[in-house]
Amino acid sequence: DSGVTQTPKHLITATGQRVTLRCSPRSGDLSVYWYQQSLDQGLQFLIQYYNGEERAKGNILERFSAQQFPDLHSELNLSSLELGDSALYFCASSFRTGSSYEQYFGPGTRLTVT
Amino acid sequence: AQKITQTQPGMFVQEKEAVTLDCTYDTSDPSYGLFWYKQPSSGEMIFLIYQGSYDQQNATEGRYSLNFQKARKSANLVISASQLGDSAMYFCAMREDNYGQNFVFGPGTRLSVLP
Repeated sequence: DSGVTQTPKHLITATGQRVTLRCSPRSGDLSVYWYQQSLDQGLQFLIQYYNGEERAKGNILERFSAQQFPDLHSELNLSSLELGDSALYFCASSFRTGSSYEQYFGPGTRLTVT
Repeated sequence: AQKITQTQPGMFVQEKEAVTLDCTYDTSDPSYGLFWYKQPSSGEMIFLIYQGSYDQQNATEGRYSLNFQKARKSANLVISASQLGDSAMYFCAMREDNYGQNFVFGPGTRLSVLP
């Protein structure tokens, strides 16, 4: 158990809908990262927050947004869902930002868009 | 350009043998970190080992060691005494301190340990 929690574990929804994925980082970790893992794209970095502020953006679509709250939990919002958004979404956390800090991953949320 | 290359899509190893998973990386940042993660069929990502670009010695964590060859830009993972539970996908990742700021993952190597 990494200490990172993600809810829900599975999510099935229809195209055009909007969903929210939730992540609680490990106790004491200030940085939260979101990743999308699909069969054809591999593991793609989406966005990073550090202590409530957006720190870095990766391959995140405009239909997706995220935020980190004062209690450091984070939410990833996916809207106008398409079939291609079906993937495993991971949240990870690290104590700080920087190359020497490993990330600990949550169990992931498997999103299926039908 | 691919920043992390893992040239072995799949590998087999006999139980109790050692195996090396290859990883090469591309960066011009003098300060970076290299990481290996394991993803079993259950899906979770498990951190295995870390090597900093300024570390003089190769990292070791139990049965895992990282063969770091800075000049060649390679960071191969060595698993000694393979166990059936080592069967999984293995990802090499890099984080640059100055130029990238993000974790970049390789495509992964699927390791199958044979009894």
